[in-house]
Amino acid sequence: EAQVTQNPRYLITVTGKKLTVTCSQNMNHEYMSWYRQDPGLGLRQIYYSMNVEVTDKGDVPEGYKVSRKEKRNFPLILESPSPNQTSLYFCASRSRLMTSAYEQYFGPGTRLTVT
Amino acid sequence: GQQVMQIPQYQHVQEGEDFTTYCNSSTTLSNIQWYKQRPGGHPVFLIQLVKSGEVKKQKRLTFQFGEAKKNSSLHITATQTTDVGTYFCAGGRGKLIFGQGTELSVKP
Repeated sequence: EAQVTQNPRYLITVTGKKLTVTCSQNMNHEYMSWYRQDPGLGLRQIYYSMNVEVTDKGDVPEGYKVSRKEKRNFPLILESPSPNQTSLYFCASRSRLMTSAYEQYFGPGTRLTVT
Repeated sequence: GQQVMQIPQYQHVQEGEDFTTYCNSSTTLSNIQWYKQRPGGHPVFLIQLVKSGEVKKQKRLTFQFGEAKKNSSLHITATQTTDVGTYFCAGGRGKLIFGQGTELSVKP
């Protein structure tokens, strides 16, 4: 089954404790992206990657890191989480083939709480 | 920077009524995508529009892309309870900017 998986789905942590949210897709997609969703603000892009070893900042990259060492994985790293990073996080992927247009497939989301 | 504004933020309709959400960008868009997110779920891609003035239909849903490629709309005819959710527009290719979304509730 074609899917994007994220782990963990729920996480409660404390300020300053480094954490990683994993994202994996099994569709051989070149493009992957991370978003955060906050009430009233919609979805905001954190980072995206057009292919392996290629990453770019989205709209709200501060406080986050990413890496793309393999095509299927795109982990999101919070080196020193702060309470303002409490949010719902989504990973997404899509093919870069023109025939696939821009159809993004989203993961189920990770709800992060930083106390 | 580029901004995408979406209105209204909320819309409550009686089942059977029509619904429209509007998306306006501060800059010309190369394309626009529409997504639906059910309560507690993740966004699901609905459609992409690329050409100026493009109109696409999916059953009761009609999507339009403005002539200047700076605005778009999604119209649902005769809403059903299954249409409940938040509808987002998004513009861009690599870097994507999403609208804030329109939350639709449908009263049976």
